[in-house]
Amino acid sequence: AQSVTQPDIHITVSEGASLELRCNYSYGATPYLFWYVQSPGQGLQLLLKYFSGDTLVQGIKGFEAEFKRSQSSFNLRKPSVHWSDAAEYFCAVGARNSASKIIFGSGTRLSIRP
Amino acid sequence: SQTIHQWPATLVQPVGSPLSLECTVEGTSNPNLYWYRQAAGRGLQLLFYSVGIGQISSEVPQNLSASRPQDRQFILSSKKLLLSDSGFYLCAWSPPGGVYGYTFGSGTRLTVV
Repeated sequence: AQSVTQPDIHITVSEGASLELRCNYSYGATPYLFWYVQSPGQGLQLLLKYFSGDTLVQGIKGFEAEFKRSQSSFNLRKPSVHWSDAAEYFCAVGARNSASKIIFGSGTRLSIRP
Repeated sequence: SQTIHQWPATLVQPVGSPLSLECTVEGTSNPNLYWYRQAAGRGLQLLFYSVGIGQISSEVPQNLSASRPQDRQFILSSKKLLLSDSGFYLCAWSPPGGVYGYTFGSGTRLTVV
């Protein structure tokens, strides 16, 4: 069964600084990988996804993520954060042969320092 | 385009009362449907998913049940709420095959008092 770990519960970065949120997955083959963002009291919005091909994927709001098979990682990055990026970020993994279930990490809360 | 509606947005219910949360999807057919719960400060826990009318899979034994009476309608229910049922409930849908990613509703904040 697949699983996903987000080792950082809470991260604070200064506005304009770069950001990297870590995500490690466990799966016996190449998984489907996702990053979602959740603003307080809201549903989740898909930022980006990886299925195959280029291991560097671009998403909405200036985010990107890189799939590294050797490290079982799918870290989310942004070169310069904005105050509006403060939110909860969830990494998720789906198995290619599953009954369509996606497993979510426990989330990383991002705070922005003015 | 496809849209997902979830209601109510907030709900305060006494312990022992029944629950019914509804989720509907528009603009697609035969979607996969999901109910997740998010406890305060915690991740998402998959409660139920459905790949078709009347087909419900339960992930976690608990005080809740789900039903799918129509193709694009997914209902989360309880006969008697517990304090531990408090949380943020999210409905989501995906195309058949599901691994293309989910689209989430805006959620229901349930407080059991």
